[in-house]
Amino acid sequence: GESVGLHLPTLSVQEGDNSIINCAYSNSASDYFIWYKQESGKGPQFIIDIRSNMDKRQGQRVTVLLNKTVKHLSLQIAATQPGDSAVYFCAENGGSARQLTFGSGTQLTVLP
Amino acid sequence: DTEVTQTPKHLVMGMTNKKSLKCEQHMGHRAMYWYKQKAKKPPELMFVYSYEKLSINESVPSRFSPECPNSSLLNLHLHALQPEDSALYLCASSHGGGESNQPQHFGDGTRLSIL
Repeated sequence: GESVGLHLPTLSVQEGDNSIINCAYSNSASDYFIWYKQESGKGPQFIIDIRSNMDKRQGQRVTVLLNKTVKHLSLQIAATQPGDSAVYFCAENGGSARQLTFGSGTQLTVLP
Repeated sequence: DTEVTQTPKHLVMGMTNKKSLKCEQHMGHRAMYWYKQKAKKPPELMFVYSYEKLSINESVPSRFSPECPNSSLLNLHLHALQPEDSALYLCASSHGGGESNQPQHFGDGTRLSIL
C-alpha cells in the first residue's frame, strides 16, 4: 500500500507484505533527506538517508527513492514485521540555515 | 538504546518553577540540537549549537534558555513556562557543525507537563 504523509497519515499493511510510505518535500534547494522511525515513547530513530546526487539507496530491508523533478521521496520496507509499526517521518535540509524540517509523519500499523 | 541520553524522562512543573533539561552524547559530535514535539506532530527545531556556540535560535521565547557547557553536554533551562509549552523535548547531535548534511541522532526526550 501507499500513503502520502500529508493527506493520509495512516497506513495499515499485512505482516510480510511490502510497505511504501511517501513524502512530498517542499524546498527544491534541499539536497539531503532522511527517514526516521519513531516508536511510542521514544525519540526519532535514523533509518536511512540519501543525497540529491542519488535517486535510490538501499539498506537492510529498506529502500529510499528520490525524485527531484516532482520533489517526492519514498521509503519502501520489505517484508514488513510487527516491529516496524511506528510513525515514519521524512526530513529535508530545506529549513532556515539549511536545517532539517520534518514532514507531518505517517503512522504505519502492521496487521497480524 | 540511544547514544544520546536525556534526563529527566518526565518532568512536571508549575508555571513559576525553574528547572533544567539535560542532554549528553559521547559520539564526538560537534553539533547539538533542541527540538520541541507536540503530540502527533513532527519535531520542530528550537536551537542549534555548533562547536559549543549557539548558531541558531528559531525565535524561541526567552523563557527557554539553552546552554552548552562543553562538547558533550547540552542543557535547556526553563523558567515561567506556560501550559502550551507542555510537549516532548528532544535533543539530537550530529557530526559537523554547519548545515544539516549528516544524520542527526536523537535521544528519547523529556516529557514536560506544565501545570
